[in-house]
Amino acid sequence: GQSLEQPSEVTAVEGAIVQINCTYQTSGFYGLSWYQQHDGGAPTFLSYNALDGLEETGRFSSFLSRSDSYGYLLLQELQMKDSASYFCAVCNTGKLIFGQGTTLQVKP
Amino acid sequence: DAGVIQSPRHEVTEMGQEVTLRCKPISGHNSLFWYRQTMMRGLELLIYFNNNVPIDDSGMPEDRFSAKMPNASFSTLKIQPSEPRDSAVYFCASSPQTDQPQHFGDGTRLSIL
Repeated sequence: GQSLEQPSEVTAVEGAIVQINCTYQTSGFYGLSWYQQHDGGAPTFLSYNALDGLEETGRFSSFLSRSDSYGYLLLQELQMKDSASYFCAVCNTGKLIFGQGTTLQVKP
Repeated sequence: DAGVIQSPRHEVTEMGQEVTLRCKPISGHNSLFWYRQTMMRGLELLIYFNNNVPIDDSGMPEDRFSAKMPNASFSTLKIQPSEPRDSAVYFCASSPQTDQPQHFGDGTRLSIL
């Protein structure tokens, strides 16, 4: 079977740094993706890691350790608009298996 | 550039009725995915197509659900007969190829009374 675990909720203040962790168990693995979803909206792609290490895209970075079946999304210089749900997803033979999502609340 | 277009945006219907959800993927994208999102089960893949061919329909809950992709620019997800437990947000997504970032439509919010 396949499973992903991520925290259900995270709270942080504006300007801070927050890390959202994701651990996975899967029979096949091509990479780890991260998606953002604002309330009532569509998921939007943030980042993808196929190899171990850190990928940086502006204020967002994502890390993968294949040997530990672990990844994280790092959000820096938090803004109020970053309040949303964040999903990790395992890429496996052409399809995505999503975690349950982490709701991030950014406070002033 | 037009993104993934889904219709209708909202649908409210009575149980037992047939429901048809529609999706137009981004032009040039060869892979199309149908998802269902609920509070209880999260975001679940129902079925995906590559080059208009269904590749994996293991997520389709039961025979009441069917999906087609008659051409590269159109797909439908049909529920017949619908039941209250089918109430959810249904998303369509497309990507240039499988294993590439997926672009989601705005979803169809389906309520079965």
